[in-house]
Amino acid sequence: KNQVEQSPQSLIILEGKNCTLQCNYTVSPFSNLRWYKQDTGRGPVSLTIMTFSENTKSNGRYTATLDADTKQSSLHITASQLSDSASYICVVRGGSSASKIIFGSGTRLSIRP
Amino acid sequence: DVKVTQSSRYLVKRTGEKVFLECVQDMDHENMFWYRQDPGLGLRLIYFSYDVKMKEKGDIPEGYSVSREKKERFSLILESASTNQTSMYLCASTPTRLAGADTQYFGPGTRLTVL
Repeated sequence: KNQVEQSPQSLIILEGKNCTLQCNYTVSPFSNLRWYKQDTGRGPVSLTIMTFSENTKSNGRYTATLDADTKQSSLHITASQLSDSASYICVVRGGSSASKIIFGSGTRLSIRP
Repeated sequence: DVKVTQSSRYLVKRTGEKVFLECVQDMDHENMFWYRQDPGLGLRLIYFSYDVKMKEKGDIPEGYSVSREKKERFSLILESASTNQTSMYLCASTPTRLAGADTQYFGPGTRLTVL
């Protein structure tokens, strides 16, 4: 069964600290993996996309990694800011059909001053 | 910037009512999607459309229908709303069906409560 599992479910850290969010998937075949940021009351916004051959992708203070062999991805946030408080969703595309876009349930990140 | 708009941010309806949720995108995207988002669950696909008048069922189509009469507009219809359809509904669009061009642009969501 195609699944995307994220951990932790929620995380609280102090402003300025770093954190890492995890994503494990069993989606096959694999096309690409994206991380989205979803602010409260808003729709998700794409942060990064990685294909099979890419193992690192950065977007400012966000760095995503992908290990296609172990089917794991992580999102590392450096020097966190209050505006990083949001849900982070890992999304894996498993094929050409739109029904093969599998969403994780997200990690709820809270940054405390 | 791509803009995806949804007709309402919040809706409260009664059980049995017919409910229309509208989504409009302004970037001539081919594909449009309707998802629902519930706590602890990932987004679940209700329906998607890859062209005008074309639609395909997603993972949870029961109790829903859709309409795409124009390329920019994709409507989700709850024929007879039930309390278990209380949820956040998100519309999204993508430029094409190609995997590399499949960044989904989401609307702000409609929080529907069915009493």
